[in-house]
Amino acid sequence: DQQVKQNSPSLSVQEGRISILNCDYTNSMFDYFLWYKKYPAEGPTFLISISSIKDKNEDGRFTVFLNKSAKHLSLHIVPSQPGDSAVYFCAASARNTNAGKSTFGDGTTLTVKP
Amino acid sequence: DTAVSQTPKYLVTQMGNDKSIKCEQNLGHDTMYWYKQDSKKFLKIMFSYNNKELIINETVPNRFSPKSPDKAHLNLHINSLELGDSAVYFCASSQLGSGNTIYFGEGSWLTVV
Repeated sequence: DQQVKQNSPSLSVQEGRISILNCDYTNSMFDYFLWYKKYPAEGPTFLISISSIKDKNEDGRFTVFLNKSAKHLSLHIVPSQPGDSAVYFCAASARNTNAGKSTFGDGTTLTVKP
Repeated sequence: DTAVSQTPKYLVTQMGNDKSIKCEQNLGHDTMYWYKQDSKKFLKIMFSYNNKELIINETVPNRFSPKSPDKAHLNLHINSLELGDSAVYFCASSQLGSGNTIYFGEGSWLTVV
């Protein structure tokens, strides 16, 4: 049972446009959500997070939106830059549990074309 | 200055061999992890240690044995390697009580032939 799903394995956008990456989860116990970015031959790096008490968190060009009723979150990157080309993983966890219990989606490969 | 470092980065070995992957973190974190990313790209937790104590042990063959000599190190030893063990193994760390952010190493690409 895949509790965190990223239904789009890949996304291609033009430089300067908005990139929207989506993530759905099924476990209502999840209350903390993170996005990680991964370049080839490197480990994932933390990008942005959101707690379930919020519906939006913004950090520069990156904004994460959370819709609890739909069990859906999305990452918006605007404007997109070629350096944003990477694999993006969504992760979900219950905040009072060990971080290692985070459940990861299987990633979306973003390609930003110059 | 690498925060979570793991060696080797690439490892090609024959079936039946025993191999180890080493991991060190200099972030002062109290919790360390091993993740496996398989051919389907899923990141799955294998083990978690907090202050040298095993706290997460997912369903992993007992050919895999983690060893934590101190809270800055978590090594992964694999006995009798099988073809299906080929994957990327990520070491990671975090600090309990500071949110659920995990800091990953660069990964170790293991290929069993």
